[in-house]
Order: sequence, then C-alpha cells, then structure tokens
Amino acid sequence: KAGVTQTPRYLIKTRGQQVTLSCSPISGHRSVSWYQQTPGQGLQFLFEYFSETQRNKGNFPGRFSGRQFSNSRSEMNVSTLELGDSALYLCASSRTSGSRETQYFGPGTRLLVL
Amino acid sequence: QKEVEQNSGPLSVPEGAIASLNCTYSDRVSQSFFWYRQYSGKSPELIMSIYSNGDKEDGRFTAQLNKASQYVSLLIRDSQPSDSATYLCAVRNSGNTPLVFGKGTRLSVIA
Repeated sequence: KAGVTQTPRYLIKTRGQQVTLSCSPISGHRSVSWYQQTPGQGLQFLFEYFSETQRNKGNFPGRFSGRQFSNSRSEMNVSTLELGDSALYLCASSRTSGSRETQYFGPGTRLLVL
Repeated sequence: QKEVEQNSGPLSVPEGAIASLNCTYSDRVSQSFFWYRQYSGKSPELIMSIYSNGDKEDGRFTAQLNKASQYVSLLIRDSQPSDSATYLCAVRNSGNTPLVFGKGTRLSVIA
C-alpha cells in the first residue's frame, strides 16, 4: 500500500507570497492532519480534516488554511508568507476516528521563506 | 494547556546497551500514547502505540505506560547505531482530539 505523499518536497518563496501544499493520504484513510515542525517549537498541530470537514484546528493565524477534497486529498495554503513560516510541513493520515486512531506521516514539504 | 514533556537530550548510550526514553503528560484523561522515531531530515515514523497500563513489547522496543503517574516510556534493548534519532512522544486525549507531541529526545548510540 502506498504511503502518504506530499508535493512539492521543497519550496523556496519570498516574503508576502502565498503557497499551496498538497497531501495525498494512504488509500482508505479519511482523516488528514497537518503539522508545522521547526527546530525551536517542535511539531505543532495546524488542523485536521475528516470527510471534507475541518474537525480540529490548532493555534495558528488565519493566514494558514486548508481544505480536503472528496477523494480525501488535502491542501494547505499559507498566505502573506513571513520569514518565520520557514519550516517542515508534515501531513499525516489515519484510517478511523476514535481514540485508537494511528497517524502515519508523509515525507514533508520543506518551505524556505526568504 | 495540554503538555507533553520530554528530556531533549542528547541521550548517549553505548552499542548493545538499553536506552530508556521518558515522557510525561499533563492531561489526566489522555487515552492513547505513541512513540515516533525521526531521523535527521526525515519525517516521523511510528514505532509503538500503547493504550493500557503496563508493558507492550515489539521486537527490541518496549513501551511502558503508567496512567496514575502520567508517564510513558520507551525502552530500546540492544541499542544499535542505527537507532540514533530523535524520539517523539505523542498523546491523544480522547475521541477525535488531535495528537499532542513532545519536542523529542535525541538519542545517540555510540559504536
């Protein structure tokens, strides 16, 4: 079974630009979560989508948004990029809802904002 | 504010020794606990999940959970240089709540 895929893998943008990242979950997985990872802050939860609906949201500004499509693929968008948005953005998918849900991570998109 | 705490390390152990990684969490109603391994420049990889008090073994890895004391640990037996990585502890409260991650413990296994 193919794992979680993320595109692009690397991205360089300048301040003020916007960016869209894509995530394709493992086949059959309906939940997709997004995280930002930086050396100082560790893994921070951005949001989670389940069946095209945002189910949970982390403590990030409104510049960060996402959506999920009917095939469970998800995109996240960051508008008006800031230098501090440079990070590894990770997508994770999981199959079922409930307390025993297990997340599997994609390879990540490394974003550098200049 | 739900928190998951881990010693950042580095934790250095000689090859063949047992590495012990610890994690404490603040939310008493947490139900699901996970250990992920992350190599430098790579994404986290799931090693173990544990839901009930006690030990759970999988190969060289043993996860230990003590809900009364609010800690979960990971033991790695016969540590190998290839085990050198950052180990992330993650905790889920219940139902559909998001995972909360610790900042990770960096493990270095010395040959």
